[in-house]
Amino acid sequence: DAKTTQPPSMDCAEGRAANLPCNHSTISGNEYVYWYRQIHSQGPQYIIHGLKNNETNEMASLIITEDRKSSTLILPHATLRDTAVYYCIVRGYNNNDMRFGAGTRLTVKP
Amino acid sequence: GAGVSQSPRYKVAKRGQDVALRCDPISGHVSLFWYQQALGQGPEFLTYFQNEAQLDKSGLPSDRFFAERPEGSVSTLKIQRTQQEDSAVYLCASSLVGATGLGGYTFGSGTRLTVV
Repeated sequence: DAKTTQPPSMDCAEGRAANLPCNHSTISGNEYVYWYRQIHSQGPQYIIHGLKNNETNEMASLIITEDRKSSTLILPHATLRDTAVYYCIVRGYNNNDMRFGAGTRLTVKP
Repeated sequence: GAGVSQSPRYKVAKRGQDVALRCDPISGHVSLFWYQQALGQGPEFLTYFQNEAQLDKSGLPSDRFFAERPEGSVSTLKIQRTQQEDSAVYLCASSLVGATGLGGYTFGSGTRLTVV
């Protein structure tokens, strides 16, 4: 059973913010939201993770709704190099339960 | 090295051949993971090691798949009697933390296996 639902594809204009949604309505209290991305012909790259507070790092911001049933990954100023498949993952505290779905294919256009 | 290294980068095997795929994790990383990624799909979990112990092999699709990490560092994924449905990218990842923890994984670039 997929724990997350993401749109299959999105477009974004270069220089604009990319907002990638993720639904995780069955998330439990001890589960975290992780985001990875995969650029063509490379392995997935860790972006960010959070529990219930919003998080920000040098790559992106993660906004989690108060009820934790959905989240949004924000790339504040998308570049062509951000074109990739973005995966939203819900996982618990066990290290070996990182499970990927189909992700969202983000295309940044000039 | 600075990252997770996988070899070979590409492998073509005839149906029925055995193959061995190698993963060199980041030095000091306790956990190691193997994933299989079919074309156009997300990575699927295969197996997990903590040091030399294989703690989870629930994702291995058949008994033709075997993984080992004898000294707790380098790992090898072996596929016996390859079939066309084994064609995929095989990804290795490592993590600093052990059985529980919130570390992100660092992935290698994968080995693309094509069975002809």
